[in-house]
Amino acid sequence: DVKVTQSSRYLVKRTGEKVFLECVQDMDHENMFWYRQDPGLGLRLIYFSYDVKMKEKGDIPEGYSVSREKKERFSLILESASTNQTSMYLCASSSYKGRGDYGYTFGSGTRLTVV
Amino acid sequence: AQKVTQAQTEISVVEKEDVTLDCVYETRDTTYYLFWYKQPPSGELVFLIRRNSFDEQNEISGRYSWNFQKSTSSFNFTITASQVVDSAVYFCALRSLVYGGGSNYKLTFGKGTLLTVNP
Repeated sequence: DVKVTQSSRYLVKRTGEKVFLECVQDMDHENMFWYRQDPGLGLRLIYFSYDVKMKEKGDIPEGYSVSREKKERFSLILESASTNQTSMYLCASSSYKGRGDYGYTFGSGTRLTVV
Repeated sequence: AQKVTQAQTEISVVEKEDVTLDCVYETRDTTYYLFWYKQPPSGELVFLIRRNSFDEQNEISGRYSWNFQKSTSSFNFTITASQVVDSAVYFCALRSLVYGGGSNYKLTFGKGTLLTVNP
């Protein structure tokens, strides 16, 4: 069964900590994405990557950075966590090869609480 | 710029009722995909359907049906004879098919509709 795996389901961090959220996909997909989901705001794109070492800012990149050193892994980094980054973080991947294009395959999400 | 609007924030129905979730989109592109996703309480978004902009045929899959009307930029989703297991947040999304490099592969999501089906 193909998968997008996020390393943690729940995470509690302190303000000012550097936080790493990891995402791994086993589908050989070119594209990977990080979204955050907040009540009433839906899903908002933070960063995405369409190739190894390539990254593009999404709609709300401030306070975040990303790393994609290998095709299967896409990391989201909170350089100095703040309470307003408490949220559900969703990773997704997709392929532009067209066949069986279901948009994205999503991970189960990481619920991050910054205290 | 692309935009997806799901005007219904929350809907509550009683089991076996039919329910329609509305989705209206905006795009300047002539070719695009529209999607519906379901997010149950477990959190993982599950793909339901993809529709491309040049195929306006409505689709039915079991108790689910989708009505795509390009003239009104709408892609509505109907659940017939709803069940408690249909309780979830449902997202409508849009993706351009016009070539634009890597940014083509972004999905623009609506804010979601929380459907609660009561027994």
